[in-house]
Amino acid sequence: KQEVTQIPAALSVPEGENLVLNCSFTDSAIYNLQWFRQDPGKGLTSLLLIQSSQREQTSGRLNASLDKSSGRSTLYIAASQPGDSATYLCAVRDNDMRFGAGTRLTVKP
Amino acid sequence: NAGVTQTPKFQVLKTGQSMTLQCAQDMNHEYMSWYRQDPGMGLRLIHYSVGAGITDQGEVPNGYNVSRSTTEDFPLRLLSAAPSQTSVYFCASSTHPQGETQYFGPGTRLLVL
Repeated sequence: KQEVTQIPAALSVPEGENLVLNCSFTDSAIYNLQWFRQDPGKGLTSLLLIQSSQREQTSGRLNASLDKSSGRSTLYIAASQPGDSATYLCAVRDNDMRFGAGTRLTVKP
Repeated sequence: NAGVTQTPKFQVLKTGQSMTLQCAQDMNHEYMSWYRQDPGMGLRLIHYSVGAGITDQGEVPNGYNVSRSTTEDFPLRLLSAAPSQTSVYFCASSTHPQGETQYFGPGTRLLVL
């Protein structure tokens, strides 16, 4: 059974700092990996989708990498802003879609 | 496009009551799914559908029924609510289950007393 782990569970940084969120998964036989953002009381917004054949995807200040063989993905956020404060979830798709528990990010002004 | 819509936003039930959570999408997506989100556990798949008339179970299907009579709608039914079903429920859709971005609805917060 696929298990997805996100570390750390919570992270607090000052504005302007670059940061990395980690996601690990136990079974490398995946179709893709997706990073989501969730604001309190809201649904999930897709940030980046990495296909299993890809190594990374970039969107603005966000860069996600995928190392399928080691079962790891990272989400890099450059020049963090208070508006980036949210919970970030990663999910891997094999036959189902399995989510990590998320990293709650707080960016302090 | 409205995207993925869910109703109601919030519901309180008594143990043993039944209800249907509604989900609709206007993007002509074949794949739809239901998740529940509990504190500290991430999202878990309840049921999914790869097209009208086709449904299957996910990781935590017990206590829930689904049907898919049209491409647009995918309701989730609780036949006899239990306190363990207190959770936030999310509906999602995508063009293809394995290769495409999933789009999520805003969620339904359910409290079972």
